[in-house]
Amino acid sequence: EAGVAQSPRYKIIEKRQSVAFWCNPISGHATLYWYQQILGQGPKLLIQFQNNGVVDDSQLPKDRFSAERLKGVDSTLKIQPAKLEDSAVYLCASSSGGKERETQYFGPGTRLLVL
Amino acid sequence: SQQGEEDPQALSIQEGENATMNCSYKTSINNLQWYRQNSGRGLVHLILIRSNEREKHSGRLRVTLDTSKKSSSLLITASRAADTASYFCASGLIQGAQKLVFGQGTRLTINP
Repeated sequence: EAGVAQSPRYKIIEKRQSVAFWCNPISGHATLYWYQQILGQGPKLLIQFQNNGVVDDSQLPKDRFSAERLKGVDSTLKIQPAKLEDSAVYLCASSSGGKERETQYFGPGTRLLVL
Repeated sequence: SQQGEEDPQALSIQEGENATMNCSYKTSINNLQWYRQNSGRGLVHLILIRSNEREKHSGRLRVTLDTSKKSSSLLITASRAADTASYFCASGLIQGAQKLVFGQGTRLTINP
């Protein structure tokens, strides 16, 4: 079974530029999560999708961050414009429904550096 | 911050010794999970303990949960060099789908 795929793996941009990250969850997984992990900290949930609907985006800085999950499969997370404090690893995770919904499977992450 | 705390922040032990990490969380939970993160990689799920359980084992892992104290511990027995990683606890709350709140993590180093 293929895992969660993310691209790009690394991205360096200057502040005020825009950037987009892509995630392909495990096939059949209805729930998709985007996390931000700042160096030395645990992951922080940015947004959670159930199929193509948003379940929780309470910690998403909506003035600069946006995310979508068209057709309930792939997802993109965009930052526009980026700030220095957005430097972090952006992790995508997915989980299935039913009894296995408790476990989240993580992708390798996209490491973003904002200069 | 909603994030819980983990103790210690860093732990360095000799190969073969046992490693114990502690976690405290802030809200009511359905379950408590532990994840491992190797340097530069994503998180890997290790073990899950439900709120009505007090102890659970999986191979060399033993996790305990005390809901009255909102705390959990992870014990890794007979540590190996390959166990070197960061370990995160995550409090799980099911509201439709699962939502996890992660702790700050413990950086574990196993010295050969």
